[in-house]
Amino acid sequence: EVRLLQSGAEVKKPGESLKISCEASGYNFPNYWIGWVRQMPGKGLEWMGIIYPDDSNTRYSPSFQGQVTISADKSINTAYLRWSSLKASDTAMYYCVRKSDYWGQGTLVIVSS
Amino acid sequence: DVVMTQSPLSLPVTLGQPASISCRSSQSLVNSDGNTYLNWFQQKPGQSPRRLIYKVSNRDSGVPDRFSGSGSGTDFTLKISRVEAEDVGVYYCMQATQWPAAFGPGTKVDIK
Repeated sequence: EVRLLQSGAEVKKPGESLKISCEASGYNFPNYWIGWVRQMPGKGLEWMGIIYPDDSNTRYSPSFQGQVTISADKSINTAYLRWSSLKASDTAMYYCVRKSDYWGQGTLVIVSS
Repeated sequence: DVVMTQSPLSLPVTLGQPASISCRSSQSLVNSDGNTYLNWFQQKPGQSPRRLIYKVSNRDSGVPDRFSGSGSGTDFTLKISRVEAEDVGVYYCMQATQWPAAFGPGTKVDIK
């Protein structure tokens, strides 16, 4: 059974850094694209970027290029989404997604002073 | 970049009646490999999205057969043959033919 288990909710202050994770199981992790989708409160879904864990080939949506870093560690079947300096506007639910077929449960990130 | 639009954005439906959602892309979604990577998702309140349909018309495992997808090129449709109470939620189309992939704005389906 394919599962994507995301790290827990985070409450951070503006300017702080953050890295959230998505641990995959039930399939050959290195050989499937995995990505991150943002959903701001009450809003729709936005693709942030995707990574191919086997060679770390990464693509970002233009809106998120330079704003976040996506990475993966194929030795522990885990993908990551990292911010170096959070803003209040980063407050959202973040989902990891295998291609488009399997979704994690979401990680709520709240950024507030 | 490909822009996805949906109509209507809000769809009140009567239980047992059919419902239809339209999705349009700003460019053809036919890939160089001949496939059309247009997916449909359902998001129920408080839940992660769930894929219903992939490559225009293929139902995912466990998806009731009252859901069907059709279309080609730039125009696509999701149909629910007879709406049930559990179908309430927001429905999104998404293109994965070219990067960046993109979702439509979503259509909120609720019961009249």
